[in-house]
Amino acid sequence: AQSVSQHNHHVILSEAASLELGCNYSYGGTVNLFWYVQYPGQHLQLLLKYFSGDPLVKGIKGFEAEFIKSKFSFNLRKPSVQWSDTAEYFCAVNAYSSASKIIFGSGTRLSIRP
Amino acid sequence: AAGVIQSPRHLIKEKRETATLKCYPIPRHDTVYWYQQGPGQDPQFLISFYEKMQSDKGSIPDRFSAQQFSDYHSELNMSSLELGDSALYFCASSLGYRGEGNEQFFGPGTRLTVL
Repeated sequence: AQSVSQHNHHVILSEAASLELGCNYSYGGTVNLFWYVQYPGQHLQLLLKYFSGDPLVKGIKGFEAEFIKSKFSFNLRKPSVQWSDTAEYFCAVNAYSSASKIIFGSGTRLSIRP
Repeated sequence: AAGVIQSPRHLIKEKRETATLKCYPIPRHDTVYWYQQGPGQDPQFLISFYEKMQSDKGSIPDRFSAQQFSDYHSELNMSSLELGDSALYFCASSLGYRGEGNEQFFGPGTRLTVL
């Protein structure tokens, strides 16, 4: 069965600090990988996605993630965070096959000190 | 661009009542997914439909049922509501083909509160 692990439950950073959130997945086949962000009281928004090709993907708001197949990882990075990045971040995976459900990680709460 | 529409956005019900949540997918999308996100939890998959047929089933209670209609909108019916059903219910849609067609677009969610 597919599963997603996010090892950091709560990360606290100061503005302008660099960010890296870890994500590992387990699945035997080809997968699609996602990072979603959920601002307080709001719905899920897609930050970035990986389907195929260049393993370094760039998303919105300066975020990027690198797919390392050998490590089953898809870590999220941002070189300099802002206070407005305070949110919950979910790593997610679904199978490359058709109409496949998304499996979410447990989420990482990011708090940015102004 | 058109997005996934969910209605209502907020719903308050009493225990043992019923509720119906509606989801209107992005035009031309043929696959609909339902997820439940409890307070402080990650979204959990409930059920999905592809071309009006159930395509996958997750942790959906027997008290819940869902269907997809000929216009591809979907309804989640919830009966005998319990306090633990209070959650944010997301709908997502995709063009249910392989690979990049499987990207799911999420709606704003329906926040259900059971009193």
